[in-house]
Amino acid sequence: GQNIDQPTEMTATEGAIVQINCTYQTSGFNGLFWYQQHAGEAPTFLSYNVLDGLEEKGRFSSFLSRSKGYSYLLLKELQMKDSASYLCAALDSNYQLIWGAGTKLIIKP
Amino acid sequence: GAVVSQHPSWVICKSGTSVKIECRSLDFQATTMFWYRQFPKQSLMLMATSNEGSKATYEQGVEKDKFLINHASLTLSTLTVTSAHPEDSSFYICSAKNTGDADTQYFGPGTRLTVL
Repeated sequence: GQNIDQPTEMTATEGAIVQINCTYQTSGFNGLFWYQQHAGEAPTFLSYNVLDGLEEKGRFSSFLSRSKGYSYLLLKELQMKDSASYLCAALDSNYQLIWGAGTKLIIKP
Repeated sequence: GAVVSQHPSWVICKSGTSVKIECRSLDFQATTMFWYRQFPKQSLMLMATSNEGSKATYEQGVEKDKFLINHASLTLSTLTVTSAHPEDSSFYICSAKNTGDADTQYFGPGTRLTVL
């Protein structure tokens, strides 16, 4: 079956760095998305990786290893506003989205 | 875990026809379902919030007569794109909130609509 795993909750300190991991098993693979979702709001697009490697975009970076079925989202210089849920979603061979359950990130002062 | 399905997963239709997309919560009851539209590598745009047994709440700029939403049961919501045009081609995603766990949203796999 198809499956995505990510931690349920993580806690980090303002100004620090946090890495949110995501492992996936899908029928075929056409890329992986990371979204940020604040409570009561629609998910906001953060990144899309389809090739192996690290993509950096400001304070956020996303990494993909297709051979390992693994991705991570790296958040640097954490700010209080980064407190949110982070969703990992993979596109399978039919371009269907397989969603993780989301990681709730709590930032403490 | 909670599963949300969508049907069909992919649809191609002619301009002017109507298309119905179903969103089902398979193993839980969902009082509230959401319909989103996604453009390539962009954020999900909330179109409407669907509540079981009542009229949907549409976001500003979304035509309610064009995007008809029906949430007739606790496990099914439908989105009908009426008189579809090529600009309606998009990826439509639904999500559902478990009645027993209102803090968590479960997303469906999406429906890719192509209007010729």
